[in-house]
Order: sequence, then structure tokens, then C-alpha cells
Amino acid sequence: DQQVKQNSPSLSVQEGRISILNCDYTNSMFDYFLWYKKYPAEGPTFLISISSIKDKNEDGRFTVFLNKSAKHLSLHIVPSQPGDSAVYFCAASAKTSYDKVIFGPGTSLSVIP
Amino acid sequence: GAGVSQSPSNKVTEKGKDVELRCDPISGHTALYWYRQSLGQGLEFLIYFQGNSAPDKSGLPSDRFSAERTGGSVSTLTIQRTQQEDSAVYLCASSLIAGKYNEQFFGPGTRLTVL
Repeated sequence: DQQVKQNSPSLSVQEGRISILNCDYTNSMFDYFLWYKKYPAEGPTFLISISSIKDKNEDGRFTVFLNKSAKHLSLHIVPSQPGDSAVYFCAASAKTSYDKVIFGPGTSLSVIP
Repeated sequence: GAGVSQSPSNKVTEKGKDVELRCDPISGHTALYWYRQSLGQGLEFLIYFQGNSAPDKSGLPSDRFSAERTGGSVSTLTIQRTQQEDSAVYLCASSLIAGKYNEQFFGPGTRLTVL
């Protein structure tokens, strides 16, 4: 039973345009959400996070939106750059155990120059 | 080095053999995590350590899997009597302390192939 879902395995976007990566979760106990980025042959690196008390968090070109009622979050990258091409993992944790981070299957983003 | 290191980077073994994977966390990080990523799947939580103790072992897939951490630093993940379904990339991460806002820093992973 996948608690964190990323239904788009891949996404292609033109350079300069907006990339929108979506994530859905099923566990209503989740209250902290993270996005990680992974290049081939490297470990994931932390990108941005959001607590459930917020509905938006912004860091430069990256913005995460959280819709608690829909159990949905999205990562917006604008403008997209070729260096953003990577696999993006959505992840979530609950206050019962913040160290047990549950990851989604990932979305592979390709930014076309 | 400044980051999390893992060894070996690649391991090919025969079904039924035991393997040991090693993780060196960032110096000073007290929390350490093990995940695995099977082909086409997300990262699957296996176990985490706070210091040398493992408060949550719930992710270990079977009793063939075990992990230990000594001296609050290096950790080893041992898989006994490996099976083909154990083939995956095993990732280790560390964070300054355990808990909500502590970013996990990942190593490059060990790719395990069981023939």
C-alpha cells in the first residue's frame, strides 16, 4: 500500500517554462512533507519542505504547495533550467515518527534546452 | 571527506551468500538511516539509528536483514542468505540529530546485485 504517490513517472518541460510535479498521500497523520532531487549515481539531496500548518513555502525558483483537504502537494519550478533535469521524490513523515520518512516512487523531469 | 560515504559502491553476489554494506556518516551526525531503492520504486525505509540504538526497525524486510552502529559513527547493514529480490540500491543518510526539521544527507548508495 503506497502511502505517497507520484502518478507521473516522467515529465518533459521546455527551458524557461514552469515545471509542476505532483504528489498525493493517503496517510492523514502525515504533517511534514519534503522534496528531494536525485541525479544519476548520486544520493538524493534535500530541496524544500513544508509543514502542514502552511499551505505554501517558497525558496528561490522552487515553491511547494500543500492542499491538506485533498491530501495533495505540488512542487513548482520556475523558470525551469536544464540543470533541473533529475528525479524528484516527494516524501512525508508523521509526528508519531518524524524519522520514518516515506518516499514516493519519483518523477523524472527532463528540461529541454 | 565531508559527505556520507558508502562502500562498496557495487556488489555482485551469488544467491545464498551473506553481504555486508558499510556507511560512514557525516562527522558529528548522531542520526543515521538506511533505505533501499528497488528498480522503478521509491526509497523504502529500512531502519534508523539515534546514536548506537535503533528505535525503529520496522522497515527491515525480513530477519535476514540486520544493522548495527558502533561508536555512534559507522554503520553496517548485513543481509544473510541473499535472495534475488534483495537486488537494489541501498542508500544511507545521516542527520545532525533525529527529528522533524533535520535534513537527511544521503550517500551515493551501494548497488547490490544478487545472481
